[in-house]
Amino acid sequence: KAGVTQTPRYLIKTRGQQVTLSCSPISGHRSVSWYQQTPGQGLQFLFEYFSETQRNKGNFPGRFSGRQFSNSRSEMNVSTLELGDSALYLCASSQGVSGNTIYFGEGSWLTVV
Amino acid sequence: GQQLNQSPQSMFIQEGEDVSMNCTSSSIFNTWLWYKQDPGEGPVLLIALYKAGELTSNGRLTAQFGITRKDSFLNISASIPSDVGIYFCAGQESWDNYGQNFVFGPGTRLSVLP
Repeated sequence: KAGVTQTPRYLIKTRGQQVTLSCSPISGHRSVSWYQQTPGQGLQFLFEYFSETQRNKGNFPGRFSGRQFSNSRSEMNVSTLELGDSALYLCASSQGVSGNTIYFGEGSWLTVV
Repeated sequence: GQQLNQSPQSMFIQEGEDVSMNCTSSSIFNTWLWYKQDPGEGPVLLIALYKAGELTSNGRLTAQFGITRKDSFLNISASIPSDVGIYFCAGQESWDNYGQNFVFGPGTRLSVLP
């Protein structure tokens, strides 16, 4: 079956702009979680959505937000971009129940200039 | 945020050698996952562990969930050039109604010399 699909793969934005990233999970998976990966901080958990509800949230400012649609597809949004937001943003999907593993997409590379 | 301790940070080995890396946590985990990430790509799941003491293999890869539930190791036997990449461990403390929140190690960068 198809894996986790993220779009766009690469994008460049200017400071102060906003960006929306999209993720389509593996068919049948109801949980989508988002991670930020940077060389300095590694993989950091942003938030998780399950059945259109944010179920868990990491320690990121309110400029980072997300949502999930009824078909389990998810979007994350970053407003008022800062240079430090440049990172690889990874989406992961799972069935969302105890004992599950998470499967990552290829990520969206965001560069803020 | 919380991170796991993962060692070694990097390693250079000869093709054909065996590799061992490990992850430790100050917290008790109920799930350990091991991933490999190639440059410019997302992490790919290698092995998932769910029970203390569990030993699981996937081809040349073997991973174990430590008895204390605070550590895990990954072994790669007879390394080949395509094993090059960054290996991450990930753990989850507990499952609750607030869903899943995996924490990741900083990664072990593996280089294989021909």
